[in-house]
Amino acid sequence: EPEVTQTPSHQVTQMGQEVILRCVPISNHLYFYWYRQILGQKVEFLVSFYNNEISEKSEIFDDQFSVERPDGSNFTLKIRSTKLEDSAMYFCASTGTGGLGNTIYFGEGSWLTVV
Amino acid sequence: SQQGEEDPQALSIQEGENATMNCSYKTSINNLQWYRQNSGRGLVHLILIRSNEREKHSGRLRVTLDTSKKSSSLLITASRAADTASYFCATDATIQGAQKLVFGQGTRLTINP
Repeated sequence: EPEVTQTPSHQVTQMGQEVILRCVPISNHLYFYWYRQILGQKVEFLVSFYNNEISEKSEIFDDQFSVERPDGSNFTLKIRSTKLEDSAMYFCASTGTGGLGNTIYFGEGSWLTVV
Repeated sequence: SQQGEEDPQALSIQEGENATMNCSYKTSINNLQWYRQNSGRGLVHLILIRSNEREKHSGRLRVTLDTSKKSSSLLITASRAADTASYFCATDATIQGAQKLVFGQGTRLTINP
């Protein structure tokens, strides 16, 4: 079964450093997403991306965050200057088409620890 | 209160028993999806149920949706130790375009051998 793959699985970074989390969505999917889950808390929506632009972003997705689809397969989340509170599991997700109830497939996640 | 609240927060049962988890939500939705998460791992999609559906089955899983009560339930029959995980409901109100899931806090299910 096709799957969303994410790298790295775990990254430790110092506060203030830039981090790039990488994702390869399912190949024929058109909509891409990032969610995050702080330890012990709910999974939260960060951003959706379609047709090479952001469709929607949450309040969490401030100016230190950016997303990019640099080529036909990768989808990246960049955190420019990490803070301690950015420590979380970051999930990439994708779906084939938008709207009206499509299954959203998630990757295994990237654990980010900011020290 | 927040969209997508699961009940109970934790559930511990014996292997072979049935496990029922409930989810309540506040606003109108287009669909509701259930996910499983093993500790520290990714979200595995279980079932999607649309707002015009009342019940769906997938193997040992049965999901119901009552839009009048704004609630859903996930039933796992004949539970196995491998079912031990956290289970989340996620609601989606999207009509068109990019979807946006709102997750609940989850139910932590423990199956005792």
